[in-house]
Amino acid sequence: ETGVTQTPRHLVMGMTNKKSLKCEQHLGHNAMYWYKQSAKKPLELMFVYSLEERVENNSVPSRFSPECPNSSHLFLHLHTLQPEDSALYLCASSQQLAGGSDTQYFGPGTRLTVL
Amino acid sequence: QKEVEQNSGPLSVPEGAIASLNCTYSDRVSQSFFWYRQYSGKSPELIMSIYSNGDKEDGRFTAQLNKASQYVSLLIRDSQPSDSATYLCAVKGAHGSGNTGKLIFGQGTTLQVKP
Repeated sequence: ETGVTQTPRHLVMGMTNKKSLKCEQHLGHNAMYWYKQSAKKPLELMFVYSLEERVENNSVPSRFSPECPNSSHLFLHLHTLQPEDSALYLCASSQQLAGGSDTQYFGPGTRLTVL
Repeated sequence: QKEVEQNSGPLSVPEGAIASLNCTYSDRVSQSFFWYRQYSGKSPELIMSIYSNGDKEDGRFTAQLNKASQYVSLLIRDSQPSDSATYLCAVKGAHGSGNTGKLIFGQGTTLQVKP
């Protein structure tokens, strides 16, 4: 257990559905991240939040919408996804964003399948 | 050129041998380097971090960093079948470098330790 939890662990949705992924960290960290991991590809950073403000948006399609209501919670809202969006979605947190020695701790991930 | 490069493998070693995993990176101002282990279907977990040139040892693991050659490696001594996993190299840029302290991952090297 890293102190980062994610729900649900598995999600199957149709292309017209709307769903949300939830991440919660119990580490008192100030930065949170969403990553996408597809088969045979490196981890792709999607969004970065520092002190509840979005500081990075890596050209992610608008069908993915992040929300960070406080420093412990991070959501990823999904709507009208495509089958190629099927992947493992990982949440991570770190003490701060830009500390050189900072370490990111990952949650268990949500395995998403889009039909 | 990929920002962080790893040989995808698989790297196969017999039990008890030394496994050597290598990683090169392109951003010269990178300051922090991490090795994560990821078992199939699981999320990445931190194995080692290294910030200065030379070797850093932790149990059976040794991380080696050569900033002049832009090269970081992970040695696993006395390899065990339980070490079989994908090992991800991650590099963090300096604050203000344009990477905002972003963690860039390699594709990962799959290690197989055979009994």
